[in-house]
Amino acid sequence: DGGITQSPKYLFRKEGQNVTLSCEQNLNHDAMYWYRQDPGQGLRLIYYSQIVNDFQKGDIAEGYSVSREKKESFPLTVTSAQKNPTAFYLCASSIVPALAAYNEQFFGPGTRLTVL
Amino acid sequence: EDQVTQSPEALRLQEGESSSLNCSYTVSGLRGLFWYRQDPGKGPEFLFTLYSAGEEKEKERLKATLTKKESFLHITAPKPEDSATYLCAVQALYGNNAGNMLTFGGGTRLMVKP
Repeated sequence: DGGITQSPKYLFRKEGQNVTLSCEQNLNHDAMYWYRQDPGQGLRLIYYSQIVNDFQKGDIAEGYSVSREKKESFPLTVTSAQKNPTAFYLCASSIVPALAAYNEQFFGPGTRLTVL
Repeated sequence: EDQVTQSPEALRLQEGESSSLNCSYTVSGLRGLFWYRQDPGKGPEFLFTLYSAGEEKEKERLKATLTKKESFLHITAPKPEDSATYLCAVQALYGNNAGNMLTFGGGTRLMVKP
């Protein structure tokens, strides 16, 4: 089955710790995205990547870092510099929008991060 | 700056009571407008993409329509299993993030009672 997997489902972080959220896709999509969702709010873009070894900041990149060493994988690190990291984190993928008319983003199941 | 506003924030319906959800948008040229369904604690599930004013798409009890300023998600004779948060997002043709980013609205939480 093709899809997007995220792990872990729940993650607890102590203050001052860095944590890494995993995102893997087997849809053969070139573009991948990380979003943050706070209770009762829409999604806000953290980072996106259209190709391996390249990524761009979204609206709320401060305190986060990413890497894109493989097409299938786009891990997100929440650093200690992120002052309010408790949220629901969603990974998505799509074909590269500029190359196609249909470029819906497909989402993974999410990781809920809680700071203790 | 691209903006998306969804209304109402929450909507309670009785089973079988049809209604509509609204998504108003401002964007630097619309490349596409997307509707998603999100169940609690899960990732959004793609429903529809609309590209031009006048376009309509249907799936079971849902029908999405698009004008130059807004989109509606019509729900006909809803069932309790339609209860979820419905998200609207736009993708721009122009600007720094054209073609790449989705700008999301805050969502409408739909509750259908049996």
